[in-house]
Parts: sequence; structure tokens; C-alpha cells
Amino acid sequence: GQQVQQSPTSLVLQEGENAELQCNFSTSLNSMQWFYQRPGGSLISVFYNPSGTKQSGRLTSTTVIKERRSSLHISSSQITDSGTYLCAMGSNMGYKLTFGTGTSLLVDP
Amino acid sequence: EAAVTQSPRNKVAVTGGKVTLSCNQTNNHNNMYWYRQDTGHGLRLIHYSYGAGSTEKGDIPDGYKASRPSQENFSLILELATPSQTSVYFCASGEAGTGGSEQYFGPGTRLTVL
Repeated sequence: GQQVQQSPTSLVLQEGENAELQCNFSTSLNSMQWFYQRPGGSLISVFYNPSGTKQSGRLTSTTVIKERRSSLHISSSQITDSGTYLCAMGSNMGYKLTFGTGTSLLVDP
Repeated sequence: EAAVTQSPRNKVAVTGGKVTLSCNQTNNHNNMYWYRQDTGHGLRLIHYSYGAGSTEKGDIPDGYKASRPSQENFSLILELATPSQTSVYFCASGEAGTGGSEQYFGPGTRLTVL
């Protein structure tokens, strides 16, 4: 079945440092979404990015379909960026998302 | 702004009891989904729906039923709750389309089965 591998599993940064989160997919994808989640919180969509590069403020997502990978770049990290980042791929059917197990990010002052 | 709401937000149930989790969306999306989130497993799809009257099995449907009586509402039903169904449940909605679409999630329901 479809598998989604996220790396790193966890990451600790000093405020102001940059981070690169990776997501690799075992099969071809039709859609791709990045989520942010605080402990006990809901999933907040950060990017819907099936292909190419998208930027929103300090966040940039790049999806390369042929290489079956997507990345999330966080620049000039802030304490409020702390939380878990999840990537999810949509299948060719487009009806469901398969999730990675997440990257836990902690930004220290 | 997309809006998906869930009720209840927290639920404690007894083993063998019936539990109904409700989801409402005001996005007018055709597709709706139920996921559960567990440590070590991430989020997994239980049931989904393409529109009113339709329900489909996801990756882990055993022990769950779903009901989609209208475009806006999608319920997850545990007829005989078991402790292994203790989890956080998320509902989501998305537009229809074979090309895939963005999904919007509700706040989650924390279910504890004793």
C-alpha cells in the first residue's frame, strides 16, 4: 500500500534558525498537503501543494512529483512554530489522504 | 472560510455501549471523511462519503459504521464500543474530483472507552 515517510522525526531549533522537513512517498501522488498540529489540537492546513513551489510568509513548500517527495522549509523560526508538522498524500483516486507520522518541532528561545 | 464542526468534543463511554460521533460542514463539499489519530500510527481513514446517502469503507473500517443523511452531516457510529477504540477522531471535508483536493479538518473528538 501507499507509504509516507517523514524526516526528521523530531527537531530542536534555536529561535531564528531555519528548518527543512522532508516527505517521501512510495507511490505516485495526485495531491499533497502539509498540516500543522499543536498538542491536543486540530490539523491546520499549511499548504495544499500537488506540485511546484508555494510560499506563505516564512514557509515554503516544494513538491517534485517525479521524485515522489515534498519539503517544507521554515525560515527564521519562531517559538510559536513549535508543534507537529504532518504531510499527507492523495492517491490517484483522490478520495483519501495517507499521512506520515509527523515531525515534532521545538523552537527554543 | 471553511468550517467543519464536531460533537461531542469529549466523550467517555463504557465497553459495549453505542457511541455516535457527529460532524457538520458548511463548505458544501461533496466528500467527507472520518480519521482516527493514535500515537505511533498517525492518522488513518475509517470511512468516507462522496455525498448524501453514500458511505465507503476506508483503511480501518472494522467496528465502525458511518451515515451521511445530508450534504452537511456525516456521523461515525460505534455499535459496540471497545477500549481499543479509545482515540482522537477527526472529521474532514473536501471537494470532489479525481485530481485530488484540499481537505479541511474539524477540531476533533476525544473518545475514551472504559
